[in-house]
Amino acid sequence: AQTVTQSQPEMSVQEAETVTLSCTYDTSESDYYLFWYKQPPSRQMILVIRQEAYKQQNATENRFSVNFQKAAKSFSLKISDSQLGDAAMYFCAYLLTGANSKLTFGKGITLSVRP
Amino acid sequence: NAGVTQTPKFQVLKTGQSMTLQCAQDMNHEYMSWYRQDPGMGLRLIHYSVGAGITDQGEVPNGYNVSRSTTEDFPLRLLSAAPSQTSVYFCASTRGGALGSYEQYFGPGTRLTVT
Repeated sequence: AQTVTQSQPEMSVQEAETVTLSCTYDTSESDYYLFWYKQPPSRQMILVIRQEAYKQQNATENRFSVNFQKAAKSFSLKISDSQLGDAAMYFCAYLLTGANSKLTFGKGITLSVRP
Repeated sequence: NAGVTQTPKFQVLKTGQSMTLQCAQDMNHEYMSWYRQDPGMGLRLIHYSVGAGITDQGEVPNGYNVSRSTTEDFPLRLLSAAPSQTSVYFCASTRGGALGSYEQYFGPGTRLTVT
């Protein structure tokens, strides 16, 4: 079974600074997707960024980028120029290609942003 | 498009009562899932469906039933509520099979308390 590990339960960053959230996963498959989801206090799950395992290039979305290390099974999220609105819980998730309904989530990390 | 809708938003049950959490999507997605979110546990898959008439168990299915009679609806039934089922429940849907897809669309969640 696949597992996703987020070892840091909480992190804090100064506004306008950069922060990196860590995630590792375990799988024997070669074709899969990785995601970072943001959950603000509203509880809504918001997709931040997606990475296809077959792509070597790291995904970027504006201030959000990932460092995808397939051999090391590592998938960290970098948030640049942190804003107060980035404060939320962040979940790393894994999806085996073809198993479209079955996301495996990490336990999440709570990010706070200091003004 | 309303996306994925869930009702109710909040519910309090007594131990032993039954109820149905409703989930509907208007995006014609084949794949739908139910997750529960507990503190420190991330989201865990309860049941999922790959199309109308087809359902299967996820990681934590005990105490829950599902059915999928239409593409749009995927209700989750609690047969005899227990305090251990106190949680936040999320329904999600995704379009399956398309290259570059796999994004899960989440409903707003239902907070269930069992006393």
